[in-house]
Amino acid sequence: RKEVEQDPGPFNVPEGATVAFNCTYSNSASQSFFWYRQDCRKEPKLLMSVYSSGNEDGRFTAQLNRASQYISLLIRDSKLSDSATYLCVVDNYGQNFVFGPGTRLSVLP
Amino acid sequence: GAVVSQHPSWVICKSGTSVKIECRSLDFQATTMFWYRQFPKQSLMLMATSNEGSKATYEQGVEKDKFLINHASLTLSTLTVTSAHPEDSSFYICSADTGSGTEAFFGQGTRLTVV
Repeated sequence: RKEVEQDPGPFNVPEGATVAFNCTYSNSASQSFFWYRQDCRKEPKLLMSVYSSGNEDGRFTAQLNRASQYISLLIRDSKLSDSATYLCVVDNYGQNFVFGPGTRLSVLP
Repeated sequence: GAVVSQHPSWVICKSGTSVKIECRSLDFQATTMFWYRQFPKQSLMLMATSNEGSKATYEQGVEKDKFLINHASLTLSTLTVTSAHPEDSSFYICSADTGSGTEAFFGQGTRLTVV
């Protein structure tokens, strides 16, 4: 079993749609959780950290369920510019980041 | 946020030659840097952890004699792909540890094509 797994995608959604990405991790000792966004041929950029209490940043909402070892990202009112690959990232200790395979999102006009 | 600069952004080289990639932390000291490799349509895979002043720690399956890592200062780590082959063609990205225990800061990545 892979350490971090994500929805395989790709997700093709119309502008304005709400889309949710799921991620599961296998290491119960994982400490920190993040969603990164990666545009084609570019480096990943932090979208948001994920906290147990859940957190929201504009149209983006992230949730963490430690008991189920599950992380989610919700994007509301999708924009064309949201098209990218979304990476679920787990930090097991220090800065040893483990990346999920990514889920590609295409927002269509 | 912290800035990590990676150079070159792309390189084409002949089989059998060596290529050096630099990763610099511009506005902070990075005791630890990480090197990742990403093949098309795949996620980033950690290759090695680079520690300033000591030997790098390589992930399983990564040849340390082929991927030479040097972290001679707190702001610079280099990855040298020795005797490159076409199968080494990939996107290589570094990241640096700011010591804050939060997000990772990535270089811009280097696209290596070996012909």
